[in-house]
Amino acid sequence: GQQVMQIPQYQHVQEGEDFTTYCNSSTTLSNIQWYKQRPGGHPVFLIQLVKSGEVKKQKRLTFQFGEAKKNSSLHITATQTTDVGTYFCAGRGGSNYKLTFGKGTLLTVNP
Amino acid sequence: DVKVTQSSRYLVKRTGEKVFLECVQDMDHENMFWYRQDPGLGLRLIYFSYDVKMKEKGDIPEGYSVSREKKERFSLILESASTNQTSMYLCASSLEAYGEQYFGPGTRLTVT
Repeated sequence: GQQVMQIPQYQHVQEGEDFTTYCNSSTTLSNIQWYKQRPGGHPVFLIQLVKSGEVKKQKRLTFQFGEAKKNSSLHITATQTTDVGTYFCAGRGGSNYKLTFGKGTLLTVNP
Repeated sequence: DVKVTQSSRYLVKRTGEKVFLECVQDMDHENMFWYRQDPGLGLRLIYFSYDVKMKEKGDIPEGYSVSREKKERFSLILESASTNQTSMYLCASSLEAYGEQYFGPGTRLTVT
């Protein structure tokens, strides 16, 4: 079945440093979504990428979808303490309803 | 705002008990999902439903069943709870089949 690998599992940064998490799929994806889960909270949708090579920005967050639609990344510029949480990617293959989630990257930020 | 509510935040049950987890969404979404979340394993799909009375198995359906009698309500049933079903259970809904999912606050179930 479809697998979505996400690295790193953990990342600790100093406030102001940049952060990147990477997502790789074993199969070509029709789209990929990113979610953020604050400690003690539930996943909250951030963005969806659909097109090959797509890049989207949300303030300090930059999301990319690879040309082959098998990988994606989330980059945060100049992290803040409010960025703390676990970031999940979730991909769909073909016409499959199902989202397959990566295991997430837990980001902690030292003020 | 979309609201997805789950019947309990915390639940403690004994091995062998039948357990019902309820999920209600208020935005007339067609699609509803049940996940479990375990440390180091991320979110894994148990079942989903794209219409009333319709259901599809996810990646880990064993030991679970679901019911969707009304559009707004999706129930997860553990017929005979076991200790390996201790987990955080998250319900989600979406308007479009391939669209963003809105999650409920989760139910932390402990089976002793």
